Amino acid sequence: EAGVTQFPSHSVIEKGQTVTLRCDPISGHDNLYWYRRVMGKEIKFLLHFVKESKQDESGMPNNRFLAERTGGTYSTLKVQPAELEDSGVYFCASSQGLFLEDEQYFGPGTRLTVT
Amino acid sequence: DQQVKQNSPSLSVQEGRISILNCDYTNSMFDYFLWYKKYPAEGPTFLISISSIKDKNEDGRFTVFLNKSAKHLSLHIVPSQPGDSAVYFCAATSGTYKYIFGTGTRLKVLA
Repeated sequence: EAGVTQFPSHSVIEKGQTVTLRCDPISGHDNLYWYRRVMGKEIKFLLHFVKESKQDESGMPNNRFLAERTGGTYSTLKVQPAELEDSGVYFCASSQGLFLEDEQYFGPGTRLTVT
Repeated sequence: DQQVKQNSPSLSVQEGRISILNCDYTNSMFDYFLWYKKYPAEGPTFLISISSIKDKNEDGRFTVFLNKSAKHLSLHIVPSQPGDSAVYFCAATSGTYKYIFGTGTRLKVLA
């Protein structure tokens, strides 16, 4: 069974540019999450999808970030325009259910560097 | 305002000895705690969890202890192996999918 995949693995862009990160969850997982880790800090929750619906966007930093999950399969996270403080590693995770025992499986992350 | 704190950024342990990683939390509403392990260039992987109704959970070489009165949990790895070298994240939740993570502790097991 394929795990959570993310593309690209690394992106370097200039301040003011746009970047789109992609996440493919484990097949059959209705729940998809985005997290972010800024250098050396904690991994922070950004948002949660159930299928194609956003259930919780409470962790999104500001309106420069837009997440979508068309058709309830893969998800994209767009940053527009990017700022220096957006640099970090963006993780995607998925889970089958929402019970505590439903493990969240993480992808390898996309390292975003804004210069 | 960090609700989950891992105050030791790094830890070195000799192979075969015990590794003890610590985690403190401030939110008394947290009722489920997890440890994730992360290797370089990989995503975090689930290691072990504990519910607040328990004070200990064991899985092979890994044991998590929870002290609710002190709002403290620890992960014990016995015996430590070089393959255990990784960053360990403590996480907590108040019964939801929203995990609150600590900043991680880098464990290095010396051969």
